[in-house]
Amino acid sequence: QKEVEQDPGPLSVPEGAIVSLNCTYSNSAFQYFMWYRQYSRKGPELLMYTYSSGNKEDGRFTAQVDKSSKYISLFIRDSQPSDSATYLCAIMISSGSARQLTFGSGTQLTVLP
Amino acid sequence: GAVVSQHPSRVICKSGTSVKIECRSLDFQATTMFWYRQFPKKSLMLMATSNEGSKATYEQGVEKDKFLINHASLTLSTLTVTSAHPEDSSFYICSARTGENSPLHFGNGTRLTVT
Repeated sequence: QKEVEQDPGPLSVPEGAIVSLNCTYSNSAFQYFMWYRQYSRKGPELLMYTYSSGNKEDGRFTAQVDKSSKYISLFIRDSQPSDSATYLCAIMISSGSARQLTFGSGTQLTVLP
Repeated sequence: GAVVSQHPSRVICKSGTSVKIECRSLDFQATTMFWYRQFPKKSLMLMATSNEGSKATYEQGVEKDKFLINHASLTLSTLTVTSAHPEDSSFYICSARTGENSPLHFGNGTRLTVT
């Protein structure tokens, strides 16, 4: 079993839809949770960073963490064609080493105009 | 803030030659930078951790003599792909963080094609 499982894509939604992207993890030592957006042929861009259970909102994006269920989500409201990208969850154990940072496999999202 | 700049964005080289990729933290100092490789439609694979003033730490299976890493200052790390081979063709991405438990910030990647 992988340490981080991410819902496979591709996901295609109409413009204006609410998008839900999800990851589950197995290691309860994970403490920090991130979502990255990656456009084609570009590096990942940090969207959300949180370390506590509950919701964190930033504009149209909401990150949700449920540590008891080991489940994290990213919600995108009023989705736009410019949101079309691959979304990666990343989870980290408290450590100075990037070895403790584990990425999901990514979900490819297409928002249709 | 927390901008990571990577250069070049794209490079084509012939088999047997070497290619250097630069990674700079523009508005913060990074004692540690990280180099990733990404295959098409795959997630990121950590290659090595670049440490300012000391040797890099390589992940299992990554040849340190092929992928030379130099972290000469607090804002610059370089990855040199030596004796490049077509199988080294890939997307290489560097990253850095502003603090120990801070998230990684990534450069825009370098697409290497070896002919």
